[in-house]
Amino acid sequence: DAGVTQSPTHLIKTRGQHVTLRCSPISGHKSVSWYQQVLGQGPQFIFQYYEKEERGRGNFPDRFSARQFPNYSSELNVNALLLGDSALYLCASSLGQGYSGYTFGSGTRLTVV
Amino acid sequence: AQSVTQLDSHVSVSEGTPVLLRCNYSSSYSPSLFWYVQHPNKGLQLLLKYTSAATLVKGINGFEAEFKKSETSFHLTKPSAHMSDAAEYFCVVSDRFGNEKLTFGTGTRLTIIP
Repeated sequence: DAGVTQSPTHLIKTRGQHVTLRCSPISGHKSVSWYQQVLGQGPQFIFQYYEKEERGRGNFPDRFSARQFPNYSSELNVNALLLGDSALYLCASSLGQGYSGYTFGSGTRLTVV
Repeated sequence: AQSVTQLDSHVSVSEGTPVLLRCNYSSSYSPSLFWYVQHPNKGLQLLLKYTSAATLVKGINGFEAEFKKSETSFHLTKPSAHMSDAAEYFCVVSDRFGNEKLTFGTGTRLTIIP
């Protein structure tokens, strides 16, 4: 079985640009969460989606948005990129029924220059 | 509100000696607790989880952790370190009865000395 897949694996953008990161959950998983991991720190929660609805949002500015599609895949969008947005962006999927366990993808490394 | 504190940012042990990575938690509800490992330039891998069953939890690769409510601790141990254990380890708490947001500690870098 395929695990959580994220694309692209690496990305370089210029300040002020927009970026879209993609995540495909494990088959059968209906919940997708996004985390930001800045170098040297632990991951920080950005969003959680379940059945295409937002279930939780972390302390991130409105430049960050996300959505979940009918096939449960998800996109994370970041507008007006800042240098501080440079990080590893991790996607995690779960069944979404109570705590059922999260599986993380390998992440997208975003560098803003 | 929930949080975890990893008491050591860096731990070094010799190969074949025991490993102890310390974690204290704070949670308003009965918590779920996890340890994840991250090897360089890799994603996160679940080592073990506590979700209110046995307080001594066994995980993969010989790791285990004990949930101690009175001490609000969830320390990770391994009897004998292997070179492949060198990585970053994260203690994580989830509010079991709320949403499924994971709150990560700041991480402990484990170095294995040959």
